Amino acid sequence: EVQLVQSGAEVKKPGESLKISCTTSGYRFTSYWIAWVRQMPGKGLEWMGMIAPFDSDTRYSPSFQGQVTISADKSINTAYLQWSGLKASDTAIYSCARSPRIGATTNFDFWGQGTMVTVSS
Amino acid sequence: QSVLTQPPSVSAAPGQKVTISCSGSSSNIGNHYVSWYQQVPGTAPKLLIYDDNERPSGIPDRFSGSKSGTSATLDISGLQTGDEADYYCGTWDRSLSDGYVFGTGTTVTVL
Repeated sequence: EVQLVQSGAEVKKPGESLKISCTTSGYRFTSYWIAWVRQMPGKGLEWMGMIAPFDSDTRYSPSFQGQVTISADKSINTAYLQWSGLKASDTAIYSCARSPRIGATTNFDFWGQGTMVTVSS
Repeated sequence: QSVLTQPPSVSAAPGQKVTISCSGSSSNIGNHYVSWYQQVPGTAPKLLIYDDNERPSGIPDRFSGSKSGTSATLDISGLQTGDEADYYCGTWDRSLSDGYVFGTGTTVTVL
């Protein structure tokens, strides 16, 4: 059974750093891309970027380039999303999702349960 | 603001059919496959349709997708109360962003 299990909810202060995780099981981790998707309170889905765990090839949305870092550790089948200086506007639910391909045929067939990140002073 | 435009909401009675549109351009829908996702409030999105009109295993055939030019459509027939959710289209976009884009989202209400 394919599973993507994310780390728990976080409450942080502005300026703090954070790294959330997405641990996968039930499939070959290096054969699929992992994407991160943001959903701000009451808003829609936003693609942040995605990584190929096989070789760590990473693509970012221009909206998130330089704001976050996506990484993966194929030894433990886990992908990460991290911030070095959180802002209140980073308050959102962050979800990881698996894609068999990148480009014209990208689709996200399995999703994590989401991690709520709250940034407040 | 997303480059894929959907109606904010659609509604119909149980058993009826709803159609959700997703309008884009040649840099996205016109040249790439479209997927559709269902998100019941408080839960993770679920893939309903991929490659314009293919259903993953376990998705009932009440859900169907199509595409024409730079627009895509999701049809939900035999509407059920459990279909109340937000629906998003998505596809690759090769404009300035060169990445994946989701539609603005549509809320389906079963009257």
